[in-house]
Amino acid sequence: GENVEQHPSTLSVQEGDSAVIKCTYSDSASNYFPWYKQELGKRPQLIIDIRSNVGEKKDQRIAVTLNKTAKHFSLHITETQPEDSAVYFCAWDAGNMLTFGGGTRLMVKP
Amino acid sequence: DTAVSQTPKYLVTQMGNDKSIKCEQNLGHDTMYWYKQDSKKFLKIMFSYNNKELIINETVPNRFSPKSPDKAHLNLHINSLELGDSAVYFCASSLDLTGPYGYTFGSGTRLTVV
Repeated sequence: GENVEQHPSTLSVQEGDSAVIKCTYSDSASNYFPWYKQELGKRPQLIIDIRSNVGEKKDQRIAVTLNKTAKHFSLHITETQPEDSAVYFCAWDAGNMLTFGGGTRLMVKP
Repeated sequence: DTAVSQTPKYLVTQMGNDKSIKCEQNLGHDTMYWYKQDSKKFLKIMFSYNNKELIINETVPNRFSPKSPDKAHLNLHINSLELGDSAVYFCASSLDLTGPYGYTFGSGTRLTVV
């Protein structure tokens, strides 16, 4: 399938700081962009998603922005807390399935 | 009630053996998937079924055979296990193919081949 590039692969921030993870995709036909959080030893869980008819969506400390022209979308976490530490995956729909980015390991230091 | 349940959670087996992983969802979803997560955490699609019908079969060795007896179940049988099959296997489901919609993942099966 098509690739989703995700950056950075690791991210370390101080508690209270913001974290931004960016993904770039290649198929302009995609319309759905979810983000998943996977804690150590657990399943990936959907935390927020956005469809191509909007440019931004926010849910408390988490927001996602989408730039369809540039084919990239970003996850923003504000006021990070230690429990935000996890691996985050972006994804996009590609022909009846989701293709996932390579993941970003976020570490929030207390 | 667990929405998407997989069994077993852990599986340790010797090379050459045959094993099965079971997945069940009680969400009433039409579409189910198997993903493989390797040691670098990369999630790669293996199979997708919609209402018991195979939709996606990525480049997976034919030692892997999925079976969907009904739309709530998608099992994965692996023949002649190899060391490289060691990974975490996740089952997932989504509402149907018309969305697209987000997935609900199972808790994963950690397969270790020794």
